[in-house]
Formats: sequence, C-alpha cells, structure tokens
Amino acid sequence: AQKITQTQPGMFVQEKEAVTLDCTYDTSDQSYGLFWYKQPSSGEMIFLIYQGSYDEQNATEGRYSLNFQKARKSANLVISASQLGDSAMYFCAMRELISGTYKYIFGTGTRLKVLA
Amino acid sequence: NAGVTQTPKFQVLKTGQSMTLQCAQDMNHEYMSWYRQDPGMGLRLIHYSVGAGITDQGEVPNGYNVSRSTTEDFPLRLLSAAPSQTSVYFCASQKGLNTEAFFGQGTRLTVV
Repeated sequence: AQKITQTQPGMFVQEKEAVTLDCTYDTSDQSYGLFWYKQPSSGEMIFLIYQGSYDEQNATEGRYSLNFQKARKSANLVISASQLGDSAMYFCAMRELISGTYKYIFGTGTRLKVLA
Repeated sequence: NAGVTQTPKFQVLKTGQSMTLQCAQDMNHEYMSWYRQDPGMGLRLIHYSVGAGITDQGEVPNGYNVSRSTTEDFPLRLLSAAPSQTSVYFCASQKGLNTEAFFGQGTRLTVV
C-alpha cells in the first residue's frame, strides 16, 4: 500500500493565484514528520517546509504553508501568489519509524506549471 | 559552503561493471542517505546512515553497498551493474531526523 499518495500528477495555476497540492499519508506511528520538496527542471531537490505530527499550528514558510489535517491524514501544500519560478515537480515525504529505524518515504510527485 | 557534493554527474556503465558514486558533505550532519529516482516514481531510499560506522538498508538495497567510515563521506557502490539500475541517484544529508534534507545535484546513471 502506498504510504504517501499524491493524486495529482500535474497541475496548472495562473500566475499570482494560489494553488493547493494534495498529499495524503498512511502511518500507524504517533510521531512522524512530513516534508515537502521542490524539484525544478534542473534536477536539484529543494526543501520547502516541514510539519511534525505533534505540531498544533500549520507550518508556514514565506509563500508556502502546509494544511495539516491529522485526522484525515492529509498534508497539503499551499503556494500563495504563484510565480513562474514555481513551475516544478513537488514531492511530499514522510519520516516514519519502521522496524525500529527511521526511514523516509516519498510520494510520486505533482508537476506544477504556472501560466503567465 | 559546498553543502552536499555528489560525483560524477553523469555515468554510462556496461552491464556487469562496478563503480562507486561519491557523496561528501561539509555540514557535519550525522544522517546521510542515498535515493534513486525513476520516471513516474518518487525517490526511493536505497541505504542510509545515522552516523560514522552505522549503515542500514532502505527500501531498494539490492545490488548496492555502502560504508560510512567518516562523518563526511558516504559512497554508494554498485557491485555488478544491471540495466535495472539505470536511474538518477541522489545523496542527501540531514542534521537530524526532523530537519530538512540537503541533496546533492544527482547522478544520472545509464547501464547498457
């Protein structure tokens, strides 16, 4: 079963508008962490935002915010005021304890295209 | 700051050849890991290390070996390359488990 599910293979958004990228996760751990990364066409992986399972407030980093709904096991990334440079692949990832060791699991990604 | 340095950027191997992908970080991070990225799939964890002398398997470890003799270096060895190992490989380091991962630039490996 998929641990991290990103159901949107591709998304379009108009420049300056907000966009939400979906991420749902599956874990039985009480303590876990959720991450979002951006991968531009140049290929590097760039960290965007982190949310801990015990964090009561939704994480925010500049134009990025994480809509964390623990009961629904969702951790959607919201990008406000989209810019052309936001066009990229976006990956949701989870840090989970598996068989006594911590491992990181990535989703399959969402390709975002910002339109001028 | 160099961050995470990964070499080479591109490599073509023949089936059965061996090689080592190098990864070095200068941030004194304890946690280092190797991932592979295939089309239509997210990153999959190959091996990771929580400190010098300590390594463990990730999701797809078969055909790969790692060692961590120093905090800075975490090389990935392909013992006998197979076409199924054609992929983009990323090395990453983290200060802690709940902190951001810093990634290398990636290595595009083709096995023919």
